[in-house]
Amino acid sequence: GESVGLHLPTLSVQEGDNSIINCAYSNSASDYFIWYKQESGKGPQFIIDIRSNMDKRQGQRVTVLLNKTVKHLSLQIAATQPGDSAVYFCAERQAGTALIFGKGTTLSVSS
Amino acid sequence: DVKVTQSSRYLVKRTGEKVFLECVQDMDHENMFWYRQDPGLGLRLIYFSYDVKMKEKGDIPEGYSVSREKKERFSLILESASTNQTSMYLCASSLGGEDTQYFGPGTRLTVL
Repeated sequence: GESVGLHLPTLSVQEGDNSIINCAYSNSASDYFIWYKQESGKGPQFIIDIRSNMDKRQGQRVTVLLNKTVKHLSLQIAATQPGDSAVYFCAERQAGTALIFGKGTTLSVSS
Repeated sequence: DVKVTQSSRYLVKRTGEKVFLECVQDMDHENMFWYRQDPGLGLRLIYFSYDVKMKEKGDIPEGYSVSREKKERFSLILESASTNQTSMYLCASSLGGEDTQYFGPGTRLTVL
């Protein structure tokens, strides 16, 4: 079946840099997308979501961009901090079905 | 805030034992889910429930069963644990079937 994928399994950044984590999805019928953060030994934590009628949504230090033309989703983290180190994964909702999760990108932030 | 709790953070069991994993949510959510998470495989859906006493198989239901006797509680049962069921088990709940899912802290199960 179709699945949500990520471009890179790992991303290393310096503290204070901006981070961009990417996600590609394959189903153009997907209408809702979510980013989760999972710290080591913990359950996934909701960060931000976006619906398909939007192309950008901002939260606190995070921005999600949706490009439906190329079926691409990204999470931007401003001024990355050591506490941002975690696995980030996206999920898509295909209308009438449950969420489908990507496999995740590990973000490492060095001081 | 949504609160999803799981009965144990860490659990060690022996092959052949019956294992119960409990999950409770306090937001009156209709839907509850059980996943397992393994390195390189991501989250895989085991079972979900959209109402009390209702259950649906996910992608990998073999070797598992579930119980939802009350709206707030969803139990995952390993009838006879095997070593290949060593994994991180995550429970989630959502208001509707297609809504944002909120996760519990996870139970890391080791089967020896």
